[in-house]
Amino acid sequence: AQTVTQSQPEMSVQEAETVTLSCTYDTSESDYYLFWYKQPPSRQMILVIRQEAYKQQNATENRFSVNFQKAAKSFSLKISDSQLGDAAMYFCAYASRDDKIIFGKGTRLHILP
Amino acid sequence: DAGVTQSPTHLIKTRGQQVTLRCSPKSGHDTVSWYQQALGQGPQFIFQYYEEEERQRGNFPDRFSGHQFPNYSSELNVNALWLGDSALYLCASSLVENYYNEQFFGPGTRLTVL
Repeated sequence: AQTVTQSQPEMSVQEAETVTLSCTYDTSESDYYLFWYKQPPSRQMILVIRQEAYKQQNATENRFSVNFQKAAKSFSLKISDSQLGDAAMYFCAYASRDDKIIFGKGTRLHILP
Repeated sequence: DAGVTQSPTHLIKTRGQQVTLRCSPKSGHDTVSWYQQALGQGPQFIFQYYEEEERQRGNFPDRFSGHQFPNYSSELNVNALWLGDSALYLCASSLVENYYNEQFFGPGTRLTVL
């Protein structure tokens, strides 16, 4: 069965600094998707970034980028120039084609002013 | 566009009761997925509805059932509630062909079972 593991329950970063959130997953599939979702306190979950496994190039969205290591089954999220609004729970998620999305347990990110 | 809306916001039930949660998808979306998010956990997929049919189902007992209406809105029903059903229930909508590109989540319904 596919699993998603986020080994960092909580992290803190100084405002304007860079932070990296870790995620590993387990699958026997070769074609799948990976996601990072953000859930701010008492607000709706939103998609931060997604990666298709067949694409070797790492996805980027403004200050957010990923380091996708397919062989190592690792999918980390880097947030550059951290802002107070980045404080949230971050969930790593996986989905093989035509299957449900599986979420990790999340990493709570604190931004220190 | 109101985005994905869910009702009610909060709900308190006692063990053994039944509950119905409602979800209106983002305008133009045809697919609704339901998730259970226990405290301190990530969301767990319950099921997905498309064209009024259950398209996929997660590892949840038959006490969890759903429905999708012709206007694409959806209901989640849970029978014989027990304490472990206390959680935030999230609804997410998408276009069926765009499911893996982006889902839009609602604010959730917080269910407390006493």
